[in-house]
Amino acid sequence: DIQLTQSPSFLSASVGDRVTFTCRASQGISSFLAWYQQKPGKAPRLLIYAASTLQSGVPSRFSGSGSGTQFTLTISSLQPEDFATYYCQQVNTYPNTFGQGTQLEIK
Amino acid sequence: EVQLVESEGGLIQPGGSLRLSCAASGFSVSGHSMSWVRQAPGKGLEWVSVILYSGDTTYYTDSVKGRFTLSRDISKNTLYLQMNSLRAEDTAVYYCARVLVIGNFYYGMDVWGQGTTVTVSS
Repeated sequence: DIQLTQSPSFLSASVGDRVTFTCRASQGISSFLAWYQQKPGKAPRLLIYAASTLQSGVPSRFSGSGSGTQFTLTISSLQPEDFATYYCQQVNTYPNTFGQGTQLEIK
Repeated sequence: EVQLVESEGGLIQPGGSLRLSCAASGFSVSGHSMSWVRQAPGKGLEWVSVILYSGDTTYYTDSVKGRFTLSRDISKNTLYLQMNSLRAEDTAVYYCARVLVIGNFYYGMDVWGQGTTVTVSS
């Protein structure tokens, strides 16, 4: 199975900050990577697919990049509603594994 | 409105069985690949299974192979996850989700149900 490692596991930041999360795959997955946001008690929400394509309705402050084994999710200017946990998922090979998540907290 | 609604989960004894259902509205499950994802208490997301849009191909994560079966009823526009030989480690919130497909490629899950809690305990 393909392993995804997210870093950092926890991040404290302030409203207005620019933050970047990293997701590293144990083997190449081309651009078959998705990013999700999850708030407590809620279902995940698709933010980015194909590594860099913004899902409809997602604010443009979210962006994704990368291919192969290294990927990043960037939030250009944090808003209060962005504090949540973020997961990457590879959709290149079954099982479609998730990273362990990055919890973004308010500083 | 595009929506997925899971059936109620429950408390099941180890070794028991449970069938979860996921009713779709606003789109047809026959035209989409569909997945289940679970989340153990306080843990991250775990992909469980997918049924491809053709309806004749399924994939499972290793830990549920031979115990879980994913199927669909097109007439009811509903997805099912039959879970047998349940273990304590199957305790989780279970989400059904629609797979985003563009052309011949799969890109993640764009519509999610609200989740249903399954607890396996004696």
